[in-house]
Amino acid sequence: GQSLEQPSEVTAVEGAIVQINCTYQTSGFYGLSWYQQHDGGAPTFLSYNALDGLEETGRFSSFLSRSDSYGYLLLQELQMKDSASYFCAVRPTSGTYKYIFGTGTRLKVLA
Amino acid sequence: DVKVTQSSRYLVKRTGEKVFLECVQDMDHENMFWYRQDPGLGLRLIYFSYDVKMKEKGDIPEGYSVSREKKERFSLILESTSTNQTSMYLCASIGTIGHEQYFGPGTRLTVT
Repeated sequence: GQSLEQPSEVTAVEGAIVQINCTYQTSGFYGLSWYQQHDGGAPTFLSYNALDGLEETGRFSSFLSRSDSYGYLLLQELQMKDSASYFCAVRPTSGTYKYIFGTGTRLKVLA
Repeated sequence: DVKVTQSSRYLVKRTGEKVFLECVQDMDHENMFWYRQDPGLGLRLIYFSYDVKMKEKGDIPEGYSVSREKKERFSLILESTSTNQTSMYLCASIGTIGHEQYFGPGTRLTVT
C-alpha cells in the first residue's frame, strides 16, 4: 500500500530549530507538500517540493530525497505560534487527485 | 478573503439521522474533496470530484455519498448516521494547475 509516516509528536524550545520527517512508501508521486494545522483550525499550505533538494520559504524549509524515500520540514527560529500539527502529503501518479496525507506531527514549542 | 466555506462548524445528530454537509469554493477549482480527520489517523479521503457530476471514491467511502451539481459546490451526505461517523469533516479544493489544496474550516460532527 501507499503510506506516509511521521513522528507523532516533537517538542522544542523557542528559538530552536526542529526537523519533522516524512518517510513514504509509494510507487511514484508528483511532489511532496506540507501543511500546518492549528488546533481547531483548517490545514494551510506551507510548501511544495516537486524535485529533490531544499525549498526555502522564510523560516520554513522543506527537503525531498526521492532516492531515500523521505522528506522533511525544517522550522528555524521557533516561535510559540509554530505550535501546531504538521502534515506531509503526496499525489500519487497512479491515480487522479487522490492525495495521501501523513498521520501528522504535533509540534509543541516551549518557552 | 474567504475561499472555502462549509455549511456548519458543529453538528450533533442522533444515530440514524440524515446529515447533509455542504462546501462552497469561490476559486473556480475543478477538483473538490471531502476528508475526515481523526486523532492519530491524519486526513483520510472519503470522496473527491474532478468536475460537475463527476466523482470518485476515496479510501473510506462506505456510509457516505456525495453530490456535485454546480462547480463551486460539493456536498457530503450521510444517509443514516452511526456513532463511528463522529469526526471532523474537512472540505478542500484545488485547481487543475497547482499543488495547494485550500481547506474549509471543518465541521465537527458528533453522533450520539
